[in-house]
Amino acid sequence: KQEVTQIPAALSVPEGENLVLNCSFTDSAIYNLQWFRQDPGKGLTSLLLIQSSQREQTSGRLNASLDKSSGRSTLYIAASQPGDSATYLCAVSETGANNLFFGTGTRLTVIP
Amino acid sequence: GAGVSQTPSNKVTEKGKYVELRCDPISGHTALYWYRQSLGQGPEFLIYFQGTGAADDSGLPNDRFFAVRPEGSVSTLKIQRTERGDSAVYLCATAAATGPTADTQYFGPGTRLTVL
Repeated sequence: KQEVTQIPAALSVPEGENLVLNCSFTDSAIYNLQWFRQDPGKGLTSLLLIQSSQREQTSGRLNASLDKSSGRSTLYIAASQPGDSATYLCAVSETGANNLFFGTGTRLTVIP
Repeated sequence: GAGVSQTPSNKVTEKGKYVELRCDPISGHTALYWYRQSLGQGPEFLIYFQGTGAADDSGLPNDRFFAVRPEGSVSTLKIQRTERGDSAVYLCATAAATGPTADTQYFGPGTRLTVL
């Protein structure tokens, strides 16, 4: 069964700092990988989706990379802002399946 | 509607009772998913619909859980004889069948179920 791990579980950084969140998965036969943001008491918002054939995706201050062979992805956030404070979840879908396997998330706090 | 909506937002029930949780998808989205998220965990897959049929129900924990989508739009997750361990946030997500965002799942705000 696919297992997704996210490190660290929690991270606090001062405003303006660049940061990296890590995600690893055990089975490299993935179809795509998504990064989500979850605010307390809210649902998930999709940030970036990387197809298995891609190496990275960028949206504004966010950049996600994918190394399928080593089972790793990173989410890079540039010039962090207090509004970036949330839990960030990584999820993979497998070839031939439709559901997502989620990590437990990284809780990010950006200190003003 | 503009996004996925779920009702109720909160549901408190007593052990042994029956509950129904509703999901209204984004208009035109044929794929619909139910996930369950326990405190401090990532969401766990329950069931996936493509149109009206349940294409994959392998995530349902036991036969107390059942979901329907009779007209290929609104879906209802039904839980019989609720147990305290069923307490969690139940999330619904939908996706388009085709187009540039076909693989992206859009999530609703969830229903927080508390079984006393």
